[in-house]
Amino acid sequence: EAGVTQFPSHSVIEKGQTVTLRCDPISGHDNLYWYRRVMGKEIKFLLHFVKESKQDESGMPNNRFLAERTGGTYSTLKVQPAELEDSGVYFCASSQDLPYEQYFGPGTRLTVT
Amino acid sequence: GENVEQHPSTLSVQEGDSAVIKCTYSDSASNYFPWYKQELGKRPQLIIDIRSNVGEKKDQRIAVTLNKTAKHFSLHITETQPEDSAVYFCAARGGEKLTFGTGTRLTIIP
Repeated sequence: EAGVTQFPSHSVIEKGQTVTLRCDPISGHDNLYWYRRVMGKEIKFLLHFVKESKQDESGMPNNRFLAERTGGTYSTLKVQPAELEDSGVYFCASSQDLPYEQYFGPGTRLTVT
Repeated sequence: GENVEQHPSTLSVQEGDSAVIKCTYSDSASNYFPWYKQELGKRPQLIIDIRSNVGEKKDQRIAVTLNKTAKHFSLHITETQPEDSAVYFCAARGGEKLTFGTGTRLTIIP
C-alpha cells in the first residue's frame, strides 16, 4: 500500500510570492489533515477534510492560507502571499473513518526568504 | 482547547538502558493518545497508541501507560538501541484533530 505523498519536498520562495503544496492521501482514506511544524516547535493542526468538505479549519493561521480538496482525493494548500513566519515543515496526514490512526506524509519544507 | 506538554525536550541514554518520555494533557474528553517517531529527514511514524479505556499497552520493547485521573501518559523504551535515536512526539485527540507535544530528541549513546 502506497503511503501519503507530498510535493514538493522542499520549496524556497521570496516573501510575497505564492506557493502551492500538494498532498496525496492513502487511497480510500476519506480523512485528510494538514499540520505545520515551525522552528522545531510542536506539530500544529491546520485543518481537516472529510472527503471534499472542510470539517475543521480552526488551525488555519489567516486568510493567506487556502486549502482545497476537489473530488475528495488529493489536497492542495496555497499560501498567498507568503510571509517569513510561514517558513516551516508542512505535513499532511490521512486516516480511515476507523480505527482513526493518522498516517503522515514526508512533509514539505517551506522556506520564505 | 487541548494543550499537551511533553518532557524532557532532550534525552540521552546509554545503549541498553531504558528511556522514558512523559506527556500531560488538559482536555479530559481526549480519548486517544498516539506516539510518533520521526527520524532525521523522514516522516513521523506511528509507533504505538493507547485509548482511554486502557491503562497500559506494550509492543516488544515499547510500552505506553495512561493515567486518566492525572491526565498524563508516558512512553517507555527498554533495551535501547542506536536505531531508537529520533524525535518522539506524543499527541492527544478529543475530536478528530491531534494536538501534539513539542517533541523529545532521544539520543542513544553507543
